[in-house]
Amino acid sequence: GAGVSQSPRYKVAKRGQDVALRCDPISGHVSLFWYQQALGQGPEFLTYFQNEAQLDKSGLPSDRFFAERPEGSVSTLKIQRTQQEDSAVYLCASSLGGRLHEQFFGPGTRLTVL
Amino acid sequence: AQTVTQSQPEMSVQEAETVTLSCTYDTSESNYYLFWYKQPPSRQMILVIRQEAYKQQNATENRFSVNFQKAAKSFSLKISDSQLGDTAMYFCAFMKHVNTGGFKTIFGAGTRLFVKA
Repeated sequence: GAGVSQSPRYKVAKRGQDVALRCDPISGHVSLFWYQQALGQGPEFLTYFQNEAQLDKSGLPSDRFFAERPEGSVSTLKIQRTQQEDSAVYLCASSLGGRLHEQFFGPGTRLTVL
Repeated sequence: AQTVTQSQPEMSVQEAETVTLSCTYDTSESNYYLFWYKQPPSRQMILVIRQEAYKQQNATENRFSVNFQKAAKSFSLKISDSQLGDTAMYFCAFMKHVNTGGFKTIFGAGTRLFVKA
């Protein structure tokens, strides 16, 4: 595809439900990042993949958050037993790799936990 | 820990005028990368400009330029000849290599810029 895509664009979950958010990066992009963006704030780093390897997951807020990228392309961010404080926009970004390459962002998934 | 501070929550500028958005950061690293990203109301974030910390020359991209002061840990964005399409949230970001082999990017809280006709 032409850019990074994310699905669903909007997700409403009841507290305690599990959710899965999908990211399709630009084809050939090695690096993939997940961010959490609260309303009116800047994105906060969650996790980073280089191909299929999750090299940094230090930003995941709790063990309810889990991310995978099993074949080095599509990635899924899973949140178990959602809580109201998980409500945010979840952004995915990909890059060719390396610090010199810009990150291309997807449109985000807006998660609302009731 | 690294932090990125944008002290101006909101700014406005008249069309065709020049505006400067400020950003300061805190790090003990010597090698890192700085970025300005733009997030229009549609929410898809795009890169405006980047600067490698080891380069002394300030980066420039058309109407956008930076004033990078490494010693002061300051990285401001200047937008010349402002256009209505520049209305957006602007985020300053710091990227560094981490010892796990990956990269971590830290964003500031953003500055909302309004360009008035």
